[in-house]
Amino acid sequence: GAGVSQSPRYKVAKRGQDVALRCDPISGHVSLFWYQQALGQGPEFLTYFQNEAQLDKSGLPSDRFFAERPEGSVSTLKIQRTQQEDSAVYLCASSSRGQGNYGYTFGSGTRLTVV
Amino acid sequence: TQLLEQSPQFLSIQEGENLTVYCNSSSVFSSLQWYRQEPGEGPVLLVTVVTGGEVKKLKRLTFQFGDARKDSSLHITAAQTGDTGLYLCTGGTSYGKLTFGQGTILTVHP
Repeated sequence: GAGVSQSPRYKVAKRGQDVALRCDPISGHVSLFWYQQALGQGPEFLTYFQNEAQLDKSGLPSDRFFAERPEGSVSTLKIQRTQQEDSAVYLCASSSRGQGNYGYTFGSGTRLTVV
Repeated sequence: TQLLEQSPQFLSIQEGENLTVYCNSSSVFSSLQWYRQEPGEGPVLLVTVVTGGEVKKLKRLTFQFGDARKDSSLHITAAQTGDTGLYLCTGGTSYGKLTFGQGTILTVHP
């Protein structure tokens, strides 16, 4: 596609529910990132994929968070047993290059609200 | 952990005024990028600077990378209401992980 597509745009989950957030990167993009963004703050790194390999997951806040990119294209961020502190915007970004010096294209994000 | 500090955190000005946003770190970055984010959207890349001392201009926006590649500034001349948004600086590592500053929320009033 022309840009990075994320779905759903909005998700309301009851506390304890599992959720899955999808990211469709630009076709052919090697690198894919997930970020978490609180209102009015800068994005916080969650995890990084190069093709299908998850090279860095140091930003995942707990073992309730899991991300995959099995075929090196679409990625899914899964949050199990959601808590209120998980409420945030989850951003996905992709790049055609393996290194980050050239900027990334971000999706519009998924706004997760846990009630 | 490489940290980026942006200042000011909030900026509220009248249309036509000039402003500067700063991005500082104690770490050296291979590159620095500036993004602008509007409500409900993802950040959009404005510029990438890679050479110490580099100055780039994008219409009314001027970006500068510090000589030591630890800091950067964004200067906007004659701000317009369309410049309103969250401005983010990021530092890139060799493999591509971006570390974001906390952002500067700019509001330009008509």
